[in-house]
Amino acid sequence: QQPVQSPQAVILREGEDAVINCSSSKALYSVHWYRQKHGEAPVFLMILLKGGEQKGHEKISASFNEKKQQSSLYLTASQLSYSGTYFCGTPITGIIQGAQKLVFGQGTRLTINP
Amino acid sequence: DAMVIQNPRYQVTQFGKPVTLSCSQTLNHNVMYWYQQKSSQAPKLLFHYYDKDFNNEADTPDNFQSRRPNTSFCFLDIRSPGLGDAAMYLCATSRGVTAQETQYFGPGTRLLVL
Repeated sequence: QQPVQSPQAVILREGEDAVINCSSSKALYSVHWYRQKHGEAPVFLMILLKGGEQKGHEKISASFNEKKQQSSLYLTASQLSYSGTYFCGTPITGIIQGAQKLVFGQGTRLTINP
Repeated sequence: DAMVIQNPRYQVTQFGKPVTLSCSQTLNHNVMYWYQQKSSQAPKLLFHYYDKDFNNEADTPDNFQSRRPNTSFCFLDIRSPGLGDAAMYLCATSRGVTAQETQYFGPGTRLLVL
């Protein structure tokens, strides 16, 4: 049930673009994106709720293709501060009826070099 | 600022010696989560509380227990820590448990078992 992220690692020079993909074998109702810097807690970036929805946060944007059960995170003109590990989280049904809990992908480590 | 606070940030314990990790929140959220994150891995959900209702993940060892005495506080008790329990422990909160609810993470407690 864990979503699959690709690639596992990316190394960029400052100013370059990157795409991180997240796919699931099950139907997705939403996709959550987080960034975690080394030794710190994950920080929420954005949530996509509907198929076809696109959102942006600074120069980071994401799309959600409900039919394909996947989401992509786009980092444009990357900055040094974008370095970290990016996780997508997808909800699965919990014990409480109607409750959803997040399962995180294995993460994509992004390194931005000057 | 409303936030999720974890104490201590670093905890060193001896093999088999009980340890308690603390989480508090000023967001007044209904749900509190405990995750375990090992190096280069995704956060793994141990259990969560929806108000006073406790929900344990099926694969969470019995060695891990939790208490939520009130809305603001939640504790993680590790009764007999083993070397394999060394990890970052993350507390998170959310308003509810639907697919569109964002989870907010605390800074984490890094546990070292000697």
